[in-house]
Amino acid sequence: GESVGLHLPTLSVQEGDNSIINCAYSNSASDYFIWYKQESGKGPQFIIDIRSNMDKRQGQRVTVLLNKTVKHLSLQIAATQPGDSAVYFCAENLGNQGGKLIFGQGTELSVKP
Amino acid sequence: ETGVTQTPRHLVMGMTNKKSLKCEQHLGHNAMYWYKQSAKKPLELMFVYNFKEQTENNSVPSRFSPECPNSSHLFLHLHTLQPEDSALYLCASSQAGSSGNTIYFGEGSWLTVV
Repeated sequence: GESVGLHLPTLSVQEGDNSIINCAYSNSASDYFIWYKQESGKGPQFIIDIRSNMDKRQGQRVTVLLNKTVKHLSLQIAATQPGDSAVYFCAENLGNQGGKLIFGQGTELSVKP
Repeated sequence: ETGVTQTPRHLVMGMTNKKSLKCEQHLGHNAMYWYKQSAKKPLELMFVYNFKEQTENNSVPSRFSPECPNSSHLFLHLHTLQPEDSALYLCASSQAGSSGNTIYFGEGSWLTVV
C-alpha cells in the first residue's frame, strides 16, 4: 500500500557533526512534504517543508532534499547539537485527498556530547 | 507555544468511565484533526473536520466520539475504552483548502486506560 517510511529507526551522531535522516515515500501523487521534530513529552513541531516542484530547500541549520525520481526525502541537520535529540518524522501530503498527511514511523536522533 | 492547546495533558480513566479531551486552536485555521500516537507506530489519523463538518473518519471505533462546535474548538469524547486505547492523542489544525498547508500540532493528551 501507499506509505511513508524511514530507512533507519535510530541515528546516533557526535555533537558538531552533520546528521542526515532519510525517508522514502511511495505515492507519486504526493506534492508536499513536511519534516517534524518531536521531543520527549511534546507534540510534533514543524521544521521545514518542500513542494514537489523543488528539489532542495534550506532553513536555519536544516536542509531538505527531495528526489522525485526515486521517491526519497532527506533532512540534513548541520552542526548537530544536543537540543536536536528527538524523533524526526517525515510526512507526505496526498494532494488529491484534500491535504491529508501520511506520516512515517520516525527516526530517533541521539546526539552524543 | 504552538497555537494549539490541548487539555488535559494527562488522563487516567477506567474502562467504564466517560471523559473528554479538549482542543483549542488560536491560529485562525478552519480544519482540525485528531491523531493517535502509540509507541513505535506512525501517527494515525482519526478524524478530520473542515469548517466544522466531519470530512473523514478513519475507521475509528464508536467508543471515540468527536465534536467540533466551531472552527476553533474540537473535542474527543471517550467512553468504555479499552487498555489498548492508551496512547498520546494529538490535536492539530491547518488552513483547509488546497494541499501544501502545514498541519500544526498541540502538545497532546496522554491517555491511560486502566
